[in-house]
Amino acid sequence: ETGVTQTPRHLVMGMTNKKSLKCEQHLGHNAMYWYKQSAKKPLELMFVYSLEERVENNSVPSRFSPECPNSSHLFLHLHTLQPEDSALYLCASSQGSDKNYGYTFGSGTRLTVV
Amino acid sequence: AQTVTQSQPEMSVQEAETVTLSCTYDTSESDYYLFWYKQPPSRQMILVIRQEAYKQQNATENRFSVNFQKAAKSFSLKISDSQLGDAAMYFCAYRAINDMRFGAGTRLTVKP
Repeated sequence: ETGVTQTPRHLVMGMTNKKSLKCEQHLGHNAMYWYKQSAKKPLELMFVYSLEERVENNSVPSRFSPECPNSSHLFLHLHTLQPEDSALYLCASSQGSDKNYGYTFGSGTRLTVV
Repeated sequence: AQTVTQSQPEMSVQEAETVTLSCTYDTSESDYYLFWYKQPPSRQMILVIRQEAYKQQNATENRFSVNFQKAAKSFSLKISDSQLGDAAMYFCAYRAINDMRFGAGTRLTVKP
């Protein structure tokens, strides 16, 4: 176990479906992140939560909705997605949001929108 | 905004040989941190090594070392005595507050 667990590992959904991605960490970290990883592109930051408050929302379409109910859990709610949203969605956590803290990543959810 | 560039989409190395992966970045800050992450087929990003910009000494972790050239804004990763398990995507990253900026990655193949 890496310390950051993401479920499900794979998800196929239609454009009219509603689904949620889950991320869980028990490392005592205070910051959590959602990244989108598309083929041959740099990882794109989507959302940042620090001490359970959203501190970054990187111009992400409203069809993606994050939720952080406590410092150990992070969700990404999905609805009416487009085929171009198909990607690997990575969750990460860090001890804090300052520059000296590296990330611990989960294994990602491979999302396919059909 | 800080940007990170990895100019080598793919690299190949013979087992037991040495390979260097390139990374350049752009920033106006003087105090920052740089990281190399490895992403094997299992998809989980694993921290390989990190460098603090205010430290002149290059970081090393066993077979992994960096060549950090602050003035040139260059941060290359050297892998010595390459092993089959080193085959993966390697990402260079610049740590900012509330964010980590990644390069597009270099796919490393290790030939037996």
